[in-house]
Amino acid sequence: QVQLQESGPGLVKPSETLSLTCTVSGDSVRSDIYYWNWIRQSPGKGLEWIGYISYRGAAKYNPSLNSRVSISVDTSKNQFSLRMTSVTAADTAIYYCARSGIYYPNVWGRGTVVTVSS
Amino acid sequence: DIRMTQSPSSLSASVGDRVTISCRASQNIHFYLNWYQQKPGKAPNLLIYSTSSLQSGVPSRFRGSESGTDYILTITSLQPEDFATYYCQQGFTTPWTFGQGTRVEMK
Repeated sequence: QVQLQESGPGLVKPSETLSLTCTVSGDSVRSDIYYWNWIRQSPGKGLEWIGYISYRGAAKYNPSLNSRVSISVDTSKNQFSLRMTSVTAADTAIYYCARSGIYYPNVWGRGTVVTVSS
Repeated sequence: DIRMTQSPSSLSASVGDRVTISCRASQNIHFYLNWYQQKPGKAPNLLIYSTSSLQSGVPSRFRGSESGTDYILTITSLQPEDFATYYCQQGFTTPWTFGQGTRVEMK
């Protein structure tokens, strides 16, 4: 059974960098048929797709976040990661990692709460 | 970005009721429409993909369809465990976008 688990700091200061990691079990990030996603949810913006990456490193990002976001994959640890720079209070949300094909996420992590505050 | 608009935003229903939720895209998404159920404190769970295909393990009372410009999620006989929030999502093009959600509450 595929499971994804997010980890990272729950509190980030404004203007700093948010870094989260997703550990995958029951599947390999080396898969040629899946993409590895980050999605967030906040009361103000609802569900927002941040971006995804393939194990070969091809990534797509939401243009609304493009300049601040990068996703990377570590095949040796079976993990993938999110890095978001220059965070503000508007980035406060529940962050989910998820596995997808090319049309929809079909396996989600439980989510991790990130608060941006000084 | 493609805007997804769900209606209603919330509804009240009783166990056994037939429930329908609509989702409209701001442009043609060619049936690349997916539905999720989310319960409090949990991640969204995929119910329906590609308009009408039932995800493995999802009860057959959940049905997806298309009618003109609207995509429809129908719960044919509402069960106690179905009280939740439902979201549509278009997978036609990135950035993938979601509807604002429909909360199904107990009458």
